[in-house]
Amino acid sequence: ELKVEQNPLFLSMQEGKNYTIYCNYSTTSDRLYWYRQDPGKSLESLFVLLSNGAVKQEGRLMASLDTKARLSTLHITAAVHDLSATYFCAVVNTGTASKLTFGTGTRLQVTL
Amino acid sequence: EPEVTQTPSHQVTQMGQEVILRCVPISNHLYFYWYRQILGQKVEFLVSFYNNEISEKSEIFDDQFSVERPDGSNFTLKIRSTKLEDSAMYFCASSEAEGRYGYTFGSGTRLTVV
Repeated sequence: ELKVEQNPLFLSMQEGKNYTIYCNYSTTSDRLYWYRQDPGKSLESLFVLLSNGAVKQEGRLMASLDTKARLSTLHITAAVHDLSATYFCAVVNTGTASKLTFGTGTRLQVTL
Repeated sequence: EPEVTQTPSHQVTQMGQEVILRCVPISNHLYFYWYRQILGQKVEFLVSFYNNEISEKSEIFDDQFSVERPDGSNFTLKIRSTKLEDSAMYFCASSEAEGRYGYTFGSGTRLTVV
């Protein structure tokens, strides 16, 4: 059974600082997705990572995928308050009918 | 930008009642999904649907649940006899090519069973 773990579960950081969220998964996959969720809202797609070594950047967020290590990272550069949200990674298990298995989520709070 | 539309946004129902949650996926998408999220927890897969049949379902998706695509646009999730533990946010999602270009989620239906 595919397990997806994120750490940390909760992250409080000051504006202007850098930090990394980690997403580990337990079985083979070459597709990983990052989502943002604001309280009570839907899941906003941030990144689609489809191959080993994939790196994507959008604004202050950068995501990477290492399929050999079964690890993805979401790096935050010079955090701003607007980035406060919960971030989920989600993995598609190779061989399944494309269902997503979500990580536990990382609640990010950026303080002034 | 194309959206996945869900109705209603919030539904309150009594235990034992049937509910139908509705979704309109993006028009050229072929793969449809339901997920749920209990308050404060992670998102859980319920069911995937392709070519007018269920592709995969989770253990949560028992005989009380069913899905249907009654016409060319709607995709519904029915819970026959709701329980208190069915209270959650239910998200519909669709994808064009099994997620190769990503999955688009709807805004969700908050189901409260009392």
